Amino acid sequence: GENVEQHPSTLSVQEGDSAVIKCTYSDSASNYFPWYKQELGKRPQLIIDIRSNVGEKKDQRIAVTLNKTAKHFSLHITETQPEDSAVYFCAAHQLDLHSGGSNYKLTFGKGTLLTVNP
Amino acid sequence: DTEVTQTPKHLVMGMTNKKSLKCEQHMGHRAMYWYKQKAKKPPELMFVYSYEKLSINESVPSRFSPECPNSSLLNLHLHALQPEDSALYLCASSQEADREVGDTQYFGPGTRLTVL
Repeated sequence: GENVEQHPSTLSVQEGDSAVIKCTYSDSASNYFPWYKQELGKRPQLIIDIRSNVGEKKDQRIAVTLNKTAKHFSLHITETQPEDSAVYFCAAHQLDLHSGGSNYKLTFGKGTLLTVNP
Repeated sequence: DTEVTQTPKHLVMGMTNKKSLKCEQHMGHRAMYWYKQKAKKPPELMFVYSYEKLSINESVPSRFSPECPNSSLLNLHLHALQPEDSALYLCASSQEADREVGDTQYFGPGTRLTVL
């Protein structure tokens, strides 16, 4: 299957709090999981990614964890700031079954609108 | 140059017009992508080019016609579009495509298309 489920769809936090966004995927062969941040009217920008040979990756206030057995991965943002407000998309690198199963593509979650209140 | 560029930024066209969207990258990437994004939705894959050959067409209507003249350029030719085709059209590139190991995709700023 090609499903990537993302929760929650909206998340509102106070400045300084932590935010967690969770995604689950269906293709057990998936091995690459990027997270994109998209501000209003802007392009999606990669903020962090993880490959299936590691369980956790951190970059300053942002971390991603991966549980291959349970087929889920999460984005953690600590000490949130108003400029973190944006839509966040998770994605999984998967076989494109639509084109015969020999090509690969990114399948995106539906997105999480994060609002950080000052 | 570490960016993907797209022109035009905005495009308004009638249903009988023919127009083209352009995308360029100079990162030496061999894979390029077209996505369509509606408001409050994730990017939706349309086409993938790998080494200048079309490798994925996600059953996109023929009124959208992609072209990859060389490894740095990607075009999307538009003809007889419908109002529901109004959206943000994003181009992306990555080192490779069609590999079991995923590569990071870098997005351009997009073309905001309005079909009247």
